[in-house]
Amino acid sequence: NAGVMQNPRHLVRRRGQEARLRCSPMKGHSHVYWYRQLPEEGLKFMVYLQKENIIDESGMPKERFSAEFPKEGPSILRIQQVVRGDSAAYFCASSPVRQGVRGEQYFGPGTRLTVT
Amino acid sequence: KQEVTQIPAALSVPEGENLVLNCSFTDSAIYNLQWFRQDPGKGLTSLLLIQSSQREQTSGRLNASLDKSSGRSTLYIAASQPGDSATYLCAVRQETSGSRLTFGEGTQLTVNP
Repeated sequence: NAGVMQNPRHLVRRRGQEARLRCSPMKGHSHVYWYRQLPEEGLKFMVYLQKENIIDESGMPKERFSAEFPKEGPSILRIQQVVRGDSAAYFCASSPVRQGVRGEQYFGPGTRLTVT
Repeated sequence: KQEVTQIPAALSVPEGENLVLNCSFTDSAIYNLQWFRQDPGKGLTSLLLIQSSQREQTSGRLNASLDKSSGRSTLYIAASQPGDSATYLCAVRQETSGSRLTFGEGTQLTVNP
């Protein structure tokens, strides 16, 4: 069973461009979480999704950021009009449906976004 | 608002030493607590998950304890090895907002040969 997969692993964008980060959860997992790790800071929760539903987006910046988890395909974290402050490592985690919202979360390797 | 603190921020020890990493949290109404390891430039590897009803969990040379009422957890590493060098993160899940993990900023451990 492959682990949580994220791509790309590294992404460079110029200010004002869009960044799309993809996350494929572990097989059988239908809960996806996104976290951000800014340089020299801890991981911060951004959003929690189930298939076709955003359950908790209380950690998402109000503007420019959006997330989706369609019925088919990976979860996407989208950042529009990136700024230098968006440079960070973005981690995706998944948990299995049988454990519900309180199940153990399994993390992907992260996408390191650099905005130049 | 839950806050998680890890002490020390960095630790350097000689190989073979037993060591303890500390984690404290301000809101004791947690559902569980998870310890992770993060290697430089890599993702997180889950080490131990302790449910709020449990006092400790063990895996190999690792032992994690939880004192929910006092808001503390410790990760004990026995007979440390250079391969244990990494950043160790503590994260809690609340009883009420059960989806998100709240992380500490980690302890950066270096085990010297």
